[in-house]
Amino acid sequence: SQQGEEDPQALSIQEGENATMNCSYKTSINNLQWYRQNSGRGLVHLILIRSNEREKHSGRLRVTLDTSKKSSSLLITASRAADTASYFCATDARQAGTALIFGKGTTLSVSS
Amino acid sequence: GAGVSQSPSNKVTEKGKDVELRCDPISGHTALYWYRQSLGQGLEFLIYFQGNSAPDKSGLPSDRFSAERTGGSVSTLTIQRTQQEDSAVYLCASSPLRQGNEKLFFGSGTQLSVL
Repeated sequence: SQQGEEDPQALSIQEGENATMNCSYKTSINNLQWYRQNSGRGLVHLILIRSNEREKHSGRLRVTLDTSKKSSSLLITASRAADTASYFCATDARQAGTALIFGKGTTLSVSS
Repeated sequence: GAGVSQSPSNKVTEKGKDVELRCDPISGHTALYWYRQSLGQGLEFLIYFQGNSAPDKSGLPSDRFSAERTGGSVSTLTIQRTQQEDSAVYLCASSPLRQGNEKLFFGSGTQLSVL
């Protein structure tokens, strides 16, 4: 299985600090995606990074991908209380037609 | 609306009964997923419909679970003879599927409670 595994499982920080979450996976991938989930319901897509990319930015988000180590990191800079949520990475294996598989997630708590 | 719609949003049923969960994907999206999420856990992949190809059913936990997608649009997930361990949030997502998996758009889920 190419399922991603996030760490840490839980992270508590103060507003204004940076939050870093990591994702490791097992097989070669086409792309890796990060999602956010509030209140245990629908997920929202944050960013997609393809296997031939090494770094991507979107606002306060920075994602890196190291295919040699089969790992990715999500950095949220200058965190806000509204960033409190669960964050998941998702990968699909390189073979065409494979499903997108999610990891177990990191729960981020940002206190003001 | 333009988003993925799931119904019902909540379903309470008795053990042994059958339930049907519905998903209306975004119009034109060729890929449709069902996932299950137990309280405080990650997303468990159930089934993946990809255009006109045969669905990937490898995630269905037992033969009590089945899903269909009619006309390449609406999908129904059916759970027969429900058990208490089936209690979870069932999430549907769709994607345009241009070059492999693109970003998924999720519905708000159906909270299933089996008493």
